[in-house]
Amino acid sequence: DAKTTQPNSMESNEEEPVHLPCNHSTISGTDYIHWYRQLPSQGPEYVIHGLTSNVNNRMASLAIAEDRKSSTLILHRATLRDAAVYYCILRDGRTYKYIFGTGTRLKVLA
Amino acid sequence: EAGVAQSPRYKIIEKRQSVAFWCNPISGHATLYWYQQILGQGPKLLIQFQNNGVVDDSQLPKDRFSAERLKGVDSTLKIQPAKLEDSAVYLCASSFAGKTEAFFGQGTRLTVV
Repeated sequence: DAKTTQPNSMESNEEEPVHLPCNHSTISGTDYIHWYRQLPSQGPEYVIHGLTSNVNNRMASLAIAEDRKSSTLILHRATLRDAAVYYCILRDGRTYKYIFGTGTRLKVLA
Repeated sequence: EAGVAQSPRYKIIEKRQSVAFWCNPISGHATLYWYQQILGQGPKLLIQFQNNGVVDDSQLPKDRFSAERLKGVDSTLKIQPAKLEDSAVYLCASSFAGKTEAFFGQGTRLTVV
């Protein structure tokens, strides 16, 4: 199973942009890059996903490197409610299996 | 749209007892996942179903854990007998044939004493 590497923790000031990096050097051609976040005492929540092109939705943007070996989740204006653990996951495009890593704990400072 | 339902929310049992968790996925979702999340760690995939067939159970400790998804709808995960190290949150998730994002339930927090 392809693995991802993320920093253990990051901090951001409220209302500033946040860039959460993820390395996935062993990604295969059929793997989709997914991001989920987990608030305390809740199940993970879908944020965004992509294959090759950059993606935007109402929650965030996903920037994917041209070689697909890394990606960055961008929160345009962090709020206190964005404090969570963010997981970068490679979802196997054939088996649809999600393998979580340890994630990045994002702390947002007021 | 109703989300993924799990029960119970909390369970405390003694070691060597048995326990069962129930999951009702979102209607129409063919893919169902069970994850184990130990405190401070990311979720670990235990088993993945496609309808009522098992796609992957390579990380399921089959000597004590079992799971079934009869009729391809709801699912149960059982532990028998439980060990102290089974204390964790058990998460159920579902997706539409695995092709879209997965939706997670709130989980069942198991404490084994």
